[in-house]
Amino acid sequence: QVHLQESGPGLVKPSETLSLTCSVSGGSISTYKWTWIRQSAGKGLEWIGRIFESGGTNYNPSLKSRVTMSLDTSKIEFSLNLSSVTAADTAVYYCARGHYDSRGNYYFDSWGQGALVTVSS
Amino acid sequence: DIQMTQSPSSLSASVGDRVTITCRASQSISNYLNWYHQKLGKAPELLIYGASNLQSAVPSRFSGSGSGIDFTLTISSLQPEDSGIYYCQQSSTTPFAFGQGTRLEI
Repeated sequence: QVHLQESGPGLVKPSETLSLTCSVSGGSISTYKWTWIRQSAGKGLEWIGRIFESGGTNYNPSLKSRVTMSLDTSKIEFSLNLSSVTAADTAVYYCARGHYDSRGNYYFDSWGQGALVTVSS
Repeated sequence: DIQMTQSPSSLSASVGDRVTITCRASQSISNYLNWYHQKLGKAPELLIYGASNLQSAVPSRFSGSGSGIDFTLTISSLQPEDSGIYYCQQSSTTPFAFGQGTRLEI
């Protein structure tokens, strides 16, 4: 049973960079797409982006200029950096595992518990 | 970008009731539609993928249908643990988008 766990600072100052890491245990990092999703009161659930085993990425265009994702296959963890944060970036950040099945269906079948990040001075 | 709209935004029902939640996409997404259930303070959990496929270990009272732009999630006989918020999500094209959620009170 795969387990995902987010870690990182819970408080970030405006204009600084939000950094989170997701540790994966109990499963392989291969074949899956490692994803960040956030949830705020104002915007509901928002897909931030994903990173593939190859290191390739897809980002949400609304955040693309500020987002960087990376993957450490040796540590079996992946990370999110979101730069130039404002109060609008305050949210619960989830890491999740994205999976394509044999028919091309794509879904998030495992999620971390979520990490609340507040942007405030 | 594809927008997802759910209805109703909230509903109240009783144990044993049959409940239907609808989700509409702003353009055709074939059957690339997933449903999630989120309990208070927890991460969302996958219920249905590919519009109608039940995720492993999800009770059979949950079912999904639809294709193109209109989709439904049905709970055939509500149980107390079904309270929470239900979200649809399109996986046709990036950026993957979620509906705004349907809050179910039992």
